[in-house]
Amino acid sequence: GAVVSQHPSRVICKSGTSVKIECRSLDFQATTMFWYRQFPKQSLMLMATSNEGSKATYEQGVEKDKFLINHASLTLSTLTVTSAHPEDSSFYICSARLASGRAVGNEQFFGPGTRLTVL
Amino acid sequence: GQNIDQPTEMTATEGAIVQINCTYQTSGFNGLFWYQQHAGEAPTFLSYNVLDGLEEKGRFSSFLSRSKGYSYLLLKELQMKDSASYLCAVSAYGQNFVFGPGTRLSVLP
Repeated sequence: GAVVSQHPSRVICKSGTSVKIECRSLDFQATTMFWYRQFPKQSLMLMATSNEGSKATYEQGVEKDKFLINHASLTLSTLTVTSAHPEDSSFYICSARLASGRAVGNEQFFGPGTRLTVL
Repeated sequence: GQNIDQPTEMTATEGAIVQINCTYQTSGFNGLFWYQQHAGEAPTFLSYNVLDGLEEKGRFSSFLSRSKGYSYLLLKELQMKDSASYLCAVSAYGQNFVFGPGTRLSVLP
């Protein structure tokens, strides 16, 4: 099946610094990638949709200037948390959708997630 | 928009059968997915339903009724390793994938 990787898997940073998280589709091309955030004991909340070659679409309540998304190629999307604060500590998960965009059973393939802790 | 509901927590005994329900309201329905998520890990795909009926895959089965906006995930012969959160997610035309709140299942010996 399709494999999505994320890097780093875990990061601890000081308040005020910026953190970049990479999401890669390893064996398929993904025109669309999604970034989710998950707080403890809660479900996944979609933050933004990342489209290759165009600007990301952010969900309501997500600050686009704080969470910078770049989808420069069909296999890579990055999420940068700028000026991180303790309340940004969360589990960030990306997913990728096949270039066909059709629901063919397993529409989205998830990365392993990145645990961000802001001190 | 979409509205998805699941029970928050369930408990079952090893070897038993458990049914996790999911109700949803959406327009342009394009499929319902079930994912399993262990603590600290990303979700893993379990099943996909787009037509009414039951889809069986080993110990796991998933059912869908589009007219009722209802699905369930059936887990048979429960094992301890099945203790996890189970997320139902709905796909709709022109809308993003939306996850339900998830059901935390605890399997007891």
